[in-house]
Amino acid sequence: NAGVTQTPKFRVLKTGQSMTLLCAQDMNHEYMYWYRQDPGMGLRLIHYSVGEGTTAKGEVPDGYNVSRLKKQNFLLGLESAAPSQTSVYFCASSYSSEKLFFGSGTQLSVL
Amino acid sequence: KQEVTQIPAALSVPEGENLVLNCSFTDSAIYNLQWFRQDPGKGLTSLLLIQSSQREQTSGRLNASLDKSSGRSTLYIAASQPGDSATYLCAVRPIMEGYQKVTFGTGTKLQVIP
Repeated sequence: NAGVTQTPKFRVLKTGQSMTLLCAQDMNHEYMYWYRQDPGMGLRLIHYSVGEGTTAKGEVPDGYNVSRLKKQNFLLGLESAAPSQTSVYFCASSYSSEKLFFGSGTQLSVL
Repeated sequence: KQEVTQIPAALSVPEGENLVLNCSFTDSAIYNLQWFRQDPGKGLTSLLLIQSSQREQTSGRLNASLDKSSGRSTLYIAASQPGDSATYLCAVRPIMEGYQKVTFGTGTKLQVIP
């Protein structure tokens, strides 16, 4: 099993550009999450989904949008990237409220 | 708001030593607590998950304990090896907020010296 797969692994954007990060899981998990990791601040929840067609805001949702059109996919969008969104982004999934499984991350730089 | 603290931020030990990593949380209304390791430039790998009703979990050389009343969890690593060098994070899943807003500590960076 591939587990949780994130694409792309690296990306550089200019301020104001848009992009979409894709997360795919093959474990039939209902719950999926997007986190960002910044030095000294730990992982912070951006948005999450408890099932296909549902999304909810996390701790730091501003500037991001998400969609869960298929159970196995969770997309994170940046409509107008800002330098403050330079970070490492992690997707995770879980079966109900149990163990979290993480992808390998996307390193995003916004210039 | 739940706060999760991991002290120390960094730890260096000689190979073969037994060690304990600490995780403290402020709100004892938790559903479970999970320990992860993160290697540089990589994602998080789950090590152990302890349910709120459990006191400890073991996997190989790792043992995690949970004391909800005092808001503490420890990760014990026996006979440390250079391959154990990584950052260790704990994460607390709340009972409230629909169980989804997991709070992470900032981690303890462990270096095991050969």
